Amino acid sequence: DAGVTQSPTHLIKTRGQHVTLRCSPISGHKSVSWYQQVLGQGPQFIFQYYEKEERGRGNFPDRFSARQFPNYSSELNVNALLLGDSALYLCASSLVEGIGYTFGSGTRLTVV
Amino acid sequence: GESVGLHLPTLSVQEGDNSIINCAYSNSASDYFIWYKQESGKGPQFIIDIRSNMDKRQGQRVTVLLNKTVKHLSLQIAATQPGDSAVYFCAENSGGYQKVTFGTGTKLQVIP
Repeated sequence: DAGVTQSPTHLIKTRGQHVTLRCSPISGHKSVSWYQQVLGQGPQFIFQYYEKEERGRGNFPDRFSARQFPNYSSELNVNALLLGDSALYLCASSLVEGIGYTFGSGTRLTVV
Repeated sequence: GESVGLHLPTLSVQEGDNSIINCAYSNSASDYFIWYKQESGKGPQFIIDIRSNMDKRQGQRVTVLLNKTVKHLSLQIAATQPGDSAVYFCAENSGGYQKVTFGTGTKLQVIP
């Protein structure tokens, strides 16, 4: 069975640009969460979606947005990129909310 | 505010020895804790979890201990192997199970 898949795996963007990251959850998983992991730190919660509804939001600016589609895949969008947005962006899915998350390998975003 | 932190940033152990990774948390309302392993270039991988109504849980070669009195949990790895080399995160899941709060991580180095 496929795990959580994220695309692209690596991405380089320029300051001020916009980026869209994609995530496909494990088949049957209805909950998707997004995390930002800066080098040398633990992942920080950005968003959680369940059944296409936003269920939780972390302490991130409005430049960050996300959505979940009817097939439970998800997109994370970041506008007006800053150098500090450079990080590994992780997607995690679970069958039920909050328990048993499986993480993808992430998208490495570099902002130059 | 809530925080989950680790006492030691790096732990070096001889192959075959037991490893103990410690973690302190500050939110007394935390009721679910998880240990994750993250290898280079990969997302966090679930190792073991424990609920606040337990003080010990065992898995394959791993044991998690929870001391709610001093808000401390630990991960014990028996007969540490080179494949155990990774960064280990403790995390707590509260607030309606909408997010997982990670600590900063401990790097485990196994010496052959």
